[in-house]
Amino acid sequence: ETGVTQTPRHLVMGMTNKKSLKCEQHLGHNAMYWYKQSAKKPLELMFVYNFKEQTENNSVPSRFSPECPNSSHLFLHLHTLQPEDSALYLCASSQDVAYEQYFGPGTRLTVT
Amino acid sequence: GDSVTQMEGPVTLSEEAFLTINCTYTATGYPSLFWYVQYPGEGLQLLLKATKADDKGSNKGFEATYRKETTSFHLEKGSVQVSDSAVYFCALSDLPSNFGNEKLTFGTGTRLTIIP
Repeated sequence: ETGVTQTPRHLVMGMTNKKSLKCEQHLGHNAMYWYKQSAKKPLELMFVYNFKEQTENNSVPSRFSPECPNSSHLFLHLHTLQPEDSALYLCASSQDVAYEQYFGPGTRLTVT
Repeated sequence: GDSVTQMEGPVTLSEEAFLTINCTYTATGYPSLFWYVQYPGEGLQLLLKATKADDKGSNKGFEATYRKETTSFHLEKGSVQVSDSAVYFCALSDLPSNFGNEKLTFGTGTRLTIIP
């Protein structure tokens, strides 16, 4: 595997479920990001991890809980979500000073 | 705060037509500017970038010039192909270099459809 991978690619969950999204990067990067992409809205940065430490939490509700066990893996734990949380969740990683981020294909989440 | 405004889509063009997607920005410092492309079912890919005024980024026949005087970074291509159909995002990064901790501000995206 190369680049940034995300699993699952599609997820349907009820409002009382607990699920997790997984992101893995094979690029040797030290920073990882979670974004939310909703229709007709700019990408919303949710969390940033740098060297496994959370450096940014963009006022994200506590029903989203990130975890970064090492520089290659990033999780987003989900519980008691709302229908408006349905979106494409994108993971990204970066390394260099040129501000370039590499994105995964995303997880399409539907909350019913 | 920082913001990026890009033209609303969707944009539909015929193959071999000239493409322009407008992007303007607001930033407090001297940002780096980017265009990302998202093909159907995929994540965002960096298309091109420019890090200082008057720089021109180019890739795959696409070009964009960093215009500080008009705070713009318009994307252009002389002759589009069906394979260029995608969503295009303009973005900026306004932080000083902080290794591995860059933050991007994105526009809403412009959906481009090229018809044969």
